[in-house]
Amino acid sequence: DSGVTQTPKHLITATGQRVTLRCSPRSGDLSVYWYQQSLDQGLQFLIHYYNGEERAKGNILERFSAQQFPDLHSELNLSSLELGDSALYFCASSARPGRERPYEQYFGPGTRLTVT
Amino acid sequence: AQSVTQLDSQVPVFEEAPVELRCNYSSSVSVYLFWYVQYPNQGLQLLLKYLSGSTLVKGINGFEAEFNKSQTSFHLRKPSVHISDTAEYFCAVSDVRRGAQKLVFGQGTRLTINP
Repeated sequence: DSGVTQTPKHLITATGQRVTLRCSPRSGDLSVYWYQQSLDQGLQFLIHYYNGEERAKGNILERFSAQQFPDLHSELNLSSLELGDSALYFCASSARPGRERPYEQYFGPGTRLTVT
Repeated sequence: AQSVTQLDSQVPVFEEAPVELRCNYSSSVSVYLFWYVQYPNQGLQLLLKYLSGSTLVKGINGFEAEFNKSQTSFHLRKPSVHISDTAEYFCAVSDVRRGAQKLVFGQGTRLTINP
């Protein structure tokens, strides 16, 4: 168990809909990362938040957005869903600089999104 | 920008045989290197990492990897595999300058252990 939790585990929805994926980082971690894993694109970085602020963006579509709340949990919002958005979405967290192992990212179990 | 190439998409081996999973990377700056394992229907678990120092790093479950800067490689090895090692393995890099920010992953290597 990495200590990172993600809900829900599975999500099935229709095209055009909007969903919210939730992530709680390990206790004490300030950084949250979101990744998308799909058969055609592999594992791709989407976005990084540190203590509530966006720090880096990857190949994240404009239809997708994220935020990190004061209690450090994060949500990834996916809207106007398309069939191609079906994927496994992972959240990861890492320790703040100065703490132990700041370069390691700990991954949650993922949310499997199926768009029909 | 960094990129990672895992040279084999699938590697079948017999139980108790040695295995090497190959990873090459491309980067204009110094990088940290990682190997992650993904068991079926699970998240990613860190196997080992190279940050600096000794180029031979040891990880969990008997795996080790060697960093070769001149060949820009970070191959993963295990002298004797078990059925339980059946999983997908991902090589990843991150930019040293920016600390623990995004990981760039390879496409993965599916390791299948045959009895």
